[in-house]
Order: sequence, then C-alpha cells, then structure tokens
Amino acid sequence: DAGVIQSPRHEVTEMGQEVTLRCKPISGHDYLFWYRQTMMRGLELLIYFNNNVPIDDSGMPEDRFSAKMPNASFSTLKIQPSEPRDSAVYFCASSSWGQAYEQYFGPGTRLTVT
Amino acid sequence: KNEVEQSPQNLTAQEGEFITINCSYSVGISALHWLQQHPGGGIVSLFMLSSGKKKHGRLIATINIQEKHSSLHITASHPRDSAVYICAVPLADRGSTLGRLYFGRGTQLTVWP
Repeated sequence: DAGVIQSPRHEVTEMGQEVTLRCKPISGHDYLFWYRQTMMRGLELLIYFNNNVPIDDSGMPEDRFSAKMPNASFSTLKIQPSEPRDSAVYFCASSSWGQAYEQYFGPGTRLTVT
Repeated sequence: KNEVEQSPQNLTAQEGEFITINCSYSVGISALHWLQQHPGGGIVSLFMLSSGKKKHGRLIATINIQEKHSSLHITASHPRDSAVYICAVPLADRGSTLGRLYFGRGTQLTVWP
C-alpha cells in the first residue's frame, strides 16, 4: 500500500486566497484525521471522520476552515480566506476500527500564507 | 493546561547511551501512542500500548496505567535516532472522542556520534 497520500506537499499563497489540501487515506481505513502542527501549539486535531461522516470538528479554529469527505478514499481541508496565522504543517492520518488508536500519518502539507 | 506532559523537552546524548523519555497524562485512557517525527517532518507511529511493556528493536515502551505514566527507552542510541518523540493519548472521557488523540509537545532528541 502507498500509505496516506497528501497533496500538495508545499503550498505558498497570499493572504485572502482560498487553499485546498487533499488527502487519500489507506484503503480499508474507516477513520480519517486532519491535524495541524505549529511551533507554538504543537500537534492539534482539527477534525476527524468515521465512515466519511464528521465525528468531532471541535478543533476547527473558525468558520474559515471546512473539511469534507465525499467518499472513503478522499478528503479535503479548505481554508477560505487564508491568513498568515494559518501557516503550519497540516497532516492527514487514517486508521481502521480494528486498530482504532493506531494511526498512519501522511507526509504533511507545509502551508505558508504571506 | 496540557493534559499530556512530556519530559525532557530537549535531550542530547552521546552515541551508545541509554535514553529515557517520559510522558504523564492527567485523565484515564485505554491506550497510549509513541510517535517519532523525523527531521524531514514525517510522523511514524512507534508503539501503541495499553499495559505493561512493548519492545521493537532497540526501543522499549512501558506504561503504568495506575500512575498515568509512560516511558520510552532507547538502548544503544545512534545518531539516526535523532528525532522528535511525541506521546499521544486518546481522551475517551471527552464524549465521543474514540480515536481522537491529544499530543504532548514532544522531546527533541539529538544523538552525537
């Protein structure tokens, strides 16, 4: 298996622009997680899905952030409009019920908002 | 207040030394993760454990559920072990958060040759 795939790996955008991050989980996994990592706050959970349904989005910072999972093999995290404080590394991870706590991380997307 | 505390924050060692990284948490859990983040940024799950001890090569993880404490040990450390080690717990007592992880701030380990 190719593991969790994220795109793009790097994104540089100007403040106010829309940013879309993409994730393909490991085939057969039914949990998908979006995390953000910053120097100030470390790793934080933004939202997670189970069987394509959002279960807990309490970590989403504000209405500018939205996440979707239209099918079992694809998820997006969108920021609109982006702000410099959104600059971070965004990780996607997936896991399966049988190993509900063992998560497999993607390589991350490094977002820079200027 | 961070419910997951790691120590030390930074650790420097000479190749061959025995390394210990500690993790304490404040709420009841059913399992605990140890993750490794490489200098390039990738995150790898090292261990998931709910009791006792697990060993993988030179890495050993222990957990004491009653004391809410876990340790990660590295025997015969090597420069390639240099990474950030992160402890994470699922705080299942926060409602339907099965699988949701809360993270420590990580321990930056540098092993010199």
